[in-house]
Amino acid sequence: DAKTTQPTSMDCAEGRAANLPCNHSTISGNEYVYWYRQIHSQGPQYIIHGLKNNETNEMASLIITEDRKSSTLILPHATLRDTAVYYCIVRATRTQETSGSRLTFGEGTQLTVNP
Amino acid sequence: NAGVMQNPRHLVRRRGQEARLRCSPMKGHSHVYWYRQLPEEGLKFMVYLQKENIIDESGMPKERFSAEFPKEGPSILRIQQVVRGDSAAYFCASSTRQGNYGYTFGSGTRLTVV
Repeated sequence: DAKTTQPTSMDCAEGRAANLPCNHSTISGNEYVYWYRQIHSQGPQYIIHGLKNNETNEMASLIITEDRKSSTLILPHATLRDTAVYYCIVRATRTQETSGSRLTFGEGTQLTVNP
Repeated sequence: NAGVMQNPRHLVRRRGQEARLRCSPMKGHSHVYWYRQLPEEGLKFMVYLQKENIIDESGMPKERFSAEFPKEGPSILRIQQVVRGDSAAYFCASSTRQGNYGYTFGSGTRLTVV
């Protein structure tokens, strides 16, 4: 699975949009981009994933560049409860029962939402 | 519609004792993954299991650690003869087949070895 690069930390004002970038320049055609977050001491939480089209759900939007070498997770109206470590993960889709299906977490971005 | 259930939430063991961590996957999920998070470090993959089968144990330490996911009951991560360096948060996740729609994680078990 391709490697990702994220900034170590970011700050955002409460109520403003938080835009978290991720570089994945070695991504291949069958690899999805997944985003998870981990609020302090809790289990990681799935946010969103996409292949090449932009995606939106109730939590966030995912913007993937046309060449798929980078993406941005957007939290449209950040709240204090969005303070967490955000992980961008690239992983191929699995089509075989025994092909292995791990997610490999990097260091992520520590997002701090300030009042 | 319970999520992934892990117990106990906190576990204290003396050096040399055994630790058993349990994980019940979400309803309808047949794939289980265990991760370890050492203090101030990232999440490290340990093992991936399906019912009665270990699919990928490349992240498991070679000694003292074992995992199972029996036909009936929860998945168990077992650590024998615990040492202080085993103190960590252990997270379990589950998914449907292949996990292409992401994993659901439990709240973790915090193991403290004294």
